[in-house]
Amino acid sequence: AQSVTQLGSHVSVSEGALVLLRCNYSSSVPPYLFWYVQYPNQGLQLLLKYTTGATLVKGINGFEAEFKKSETSFHLTKPSAHMSDAAEYFCAVSGANFGNEKLTFGTGTRLTIIP
Amino acid sequence: SQTIHQWPATLVQPVGSPLSLECTVEGTSNPNLYWYRQAAGRGLQLLFYSVGIGQISSEVPQNLSASRPQDRQFILSSKKLLLSDSGFYLCAWSRPMNTEAFFGQGTRLTVV
Repeated sequence: AQSVTQLGSHVSVSEGALVLLRCNYSSSVPPYLFWYVQYPNQGLQLLLKYTTGATLVKGINGFEAEFKKSETSFHLTKPSAHMSDAAEYFCAVSGANFGNEKLTFGTGTRLTIIP
Repeated sequence: SQTIHQWPATLVQPVGSPLSLECTVEGTSNPNLYWYRQAAGRGLQLLFYSVGIGQISSEVPQNLSASRPQDRQFILSSKKLLLSDSGFYLCAWSRPMNTEAFFGQGTRLTVV
């Protein structure tokens, strides 16, 4: 079984400041980890994913995340926030083996950018 | 390329009325298909998933049902809607034995 905890349902940062969205996971099997972004009244778009290999993963729009097994974390960062980053962000986990492909999502973090 | 279509985009239905939301995928075959519901502050809850025609797994007991009459068609239904069925419903697909999911644009359902 898998679960995801996103710390902070709302995060506000100033334009140009560092963005840090936190995600911790629990998984009984080796995990695959994902970050998705959702703009108002739209579906979810994949930002980045970790499956195997390099633990620092780069995604679209300048975002990156680092898989830290010892901390069971997969935090999302961006060095400099842009107004267009305002959206809701979801961390998700699945199992890395057949029969565990279903995604389990966190409750989301709404990111607000202050001009 | 693959695309996913979900409709309608918005829907307002009275309590006790039936529901049918449709989702179709193009450009791939034998996809895994999913229905999620998103309620404010509660993230995405997986309602149903399907690995093939006629194969439906329900994740949570509820007032809804799902069907997969064709390989790339996934339908979410209810015979009688409840107020608690209001929410944002998302259809998604993934390749078999692959966890990366691709989402439709969602349907905002309001039960009044």
